[in-house]
Amino acid sequence: QVQLVQSGAEVKKPGASVKVSCKASGYTFTSYGISWVRQAPGQGLEWMGWISAYNGNTNYAQKLQGRVTMTTDTSTSTAYMELRSLRSDDTAVYYCARRGSGLGYWGQGTLVTVSS
Amino acid sequence: DIQMTQSPSSLSASVGDRVTITCRASQSISSYLNWYQQKPGKAPKLLIYAASSLQSGVPSRFSGSGSGTDFTLTISSLQPEDFATYYCQQSYSTPVTFGPGTKVDIK
Repeated sequence: QVQLVQSGAEVKKPGASVKVSCKASGYTFTSYGISWVRQAPGQGLEWMGWISAYNGNTNYAQKLQGRVTMTTDTSTSTAYMELRSLRSDDTAVYYCARRGSGLGYWGQGTLVTVSS
Repeated sequence: DIQMTQSPSSLSASVGDRVTITCRASQSISSYLNWYQQKPGKAPKLLIYAASSLQSGVPSRFSGSGSGTDFTLTISSLQPEDFATYYCQQSYSTPVTFGPGTKVDIK
């Protein structure tokens, strides 16, 4: 069965960086892209971007350009999302999701808290 | 960017009710519209893709319709496990955008 398992919760200070991992199993990793979506406390869903697991091509949300990097490691079927220069409004649950016809499979979410 | 709106923002309904949620795109997105259900503390769950296709494993009481700019999610007979927040999402162009959500709670 398809599973996406994310790394654990993080607490970071403003200005720091965070790197969240998303390990895929149950399918051929390079056949699907991975999207990243975040959700601030009590708020809606915000698309951050996506990465092709086939060739590493990326497409980032403009508001995050320059601060976000998405990568994959095909040897371990793992996707990564790094966000730099963290601010308090980056506090959110970060999700990875497999692209297809819609986002049919999601990780469990990783809470990133940015606080001094 | 394509803006997505949903109405209503919240609704109260009873078990067995027929519930309809509307999603509107700021420009035509053909049928590139997906619907998700999210329960507190959980990841979203895909219900409908391509406006009207039921995701595998999703009960048939859920249905979607529409194309262009106007879309509808219908729950034919609301069940206790359906109380949740519902989001539409356009995948026609990047940036992918979500609607603000519709919270369905118990009357």
